[in-house]
Amino acid sequence: DADVTQTPRNRITKTGKRIMLECSQTKGHDRMYWYRQDPGLGLRLIYYSFDVKDINKGEISDGYSVSRQAQAKFSLSLESAIPNQTALYFCATSDPPAGRLNTGELFFGEGSRLTVL
Amino acid sequence: AQKVTQAQTEISVVEKEDVTLDCVYETRDTTYYLFWYKQPPSGELVFLIRRNSFDEQNEISGRYSWNFQKSTSSFNFTITASQVVDSAVYFCALSEETSGSRLTFGEGTQLTVNP
Repeated sequence: DADVTQTPRNRITKTGKRIMLECSQTKGHDRMYWYRQDPGLGLRLIYYSFDVKDINKGEISDGYSVSRQAQAKFSLSLESAIPNQTALYFCATSDPPAGRLNTGELFFGEGSRLTVL
Repeated sequence: AQKVTQAQTEISVVEKEDVTLDCVYETRDTTYYLFWYKQPPSGELVFLIRRNSFDEQNEISGRYSWNFQKSTSSFNFTITASQVVDSAVYFCALSEETSGSRLTFGEGTQLTVNP
């Protein structure tokens, strides 16, 4: 089984619908992230969480919200989906090595492809 | 602000050719980390390497090698004797010391290796 699991893997929805993408991890990491991938734009950070009580906006958080239900679970919601939110969404986790502020290496889920019609 | 630029959108080579993927970064921090990730056609993101800003030593791993040059703010990736299985999108990324693993990714380079 994957260490970082995303559901659903594929979803087609209509404009205005509420959508939730779920992420769960078995790596025991405190830090979790949601990224969005668009062709030609790379991956862009939507939200991140360093622990259950810590939620932070990334560079493109407008139109999205998140919930950190537990250390292992981090959900991304689109309250009212719009077509330009059609993208591939990735959840990721990380954990810093002892003695460092930053680790860098992200462990990614397999991605959730969302299409908004 | 941190920024990563991968100027090569697409590269196409014939199998066994060597190919270099360019990555140029911008940061005001003196401590930072650079990464390369591979995204094969199946879509998952595969970690390849991480380097910190204090270690400019080049690294070789099999057919892969990385050239880190702080003087030109570059972290280029070379595949020697490319194979069809190397066909993928490759992302370079940067994380500043205080950003807590918030990676900033480049736009990606689509590498196609033809038989």
